[in-house]
Amino acid sequence: GDSVTQMEGPVTLSEEAFLTINCTYTATGYPSLFWYVQYPGEGLQLLLKATKADDKGSNKGFEATYRKETTSFHLEKGSVQVSDSAVYFCALEMNRDDKIIFGKGTRLHILP
Amino acid sequence: EPEVTQTPSHQVTQMGQEVILRCVPISNHLYFYWYRQILGQKVEFLVSFYNNEISEKSEIFDDQFSVERPDGSNFTLKIRSTKLEDSAMYFCASSPPRERYTGELFFGEGSRLTVL
Repeated sequence: GDSVTQMEGPVTLSEEAFLTINCTYTATGYPSLFWYVQYPGEGLQLLLKATKADDKGSNKGFEATYRKETTSFHLEKGSVQVSDSAVYFCALEMNRDDKIIFGKGTRLHILP
Repeated sequence: EPEVTQTPSHQVTQMGQEVILRCVPISNHLYFYWYRQILGQKVEFLVSFYNNEISEKSEIFDDQFSVERPDGSNFTLKIRSTKLEDSAMYFCASSPPRERYTGELFFGEGSRLTVL
């Protein structure tokens, strides 16, 4: 079935470091792809999304590009901050009436 | 800003007991969901609910689980006879009508269930 695989955490970086969190997907068609973030004590919230191949989603300095050829949607940020410490979830949705399928989540720790 | 709220934040129960997890979705949303995350595993879809009926459910959502929207504001998940493997974080989510749907689900903070 359709699924999402993301890199294991935790990931620990120093402030201002470059971040990459890998995500690959398996799907029978062409899904929409998402990154959700969960800050401590809060619910999951949408960070960015891309709905078709080669689209780039971006928000709060984070970016991810929908790569159909590698079935990937890696999350990147050029310079992380302590406030980016959270759990990041990659997810896909096959169509508007379908459920969203999530990965395990990757915990990110940013050290000052 | 409107938000999804869940209660309780943490519940500890004995195996075999019934548990009800409560959620108040965003008021003008029409689609409601329960997901769960067992520690260290994926966030798993349990059930979606629309127009007062289940629209989709996963294999996990067996006869021990039920959902209800009893009063037009609350959305509940009941587990009739809890098992150890039901220990997880349970997330409620909602989304607006399809004409305003942008692919985003709005999640609550989660209810942690511990079954002893």
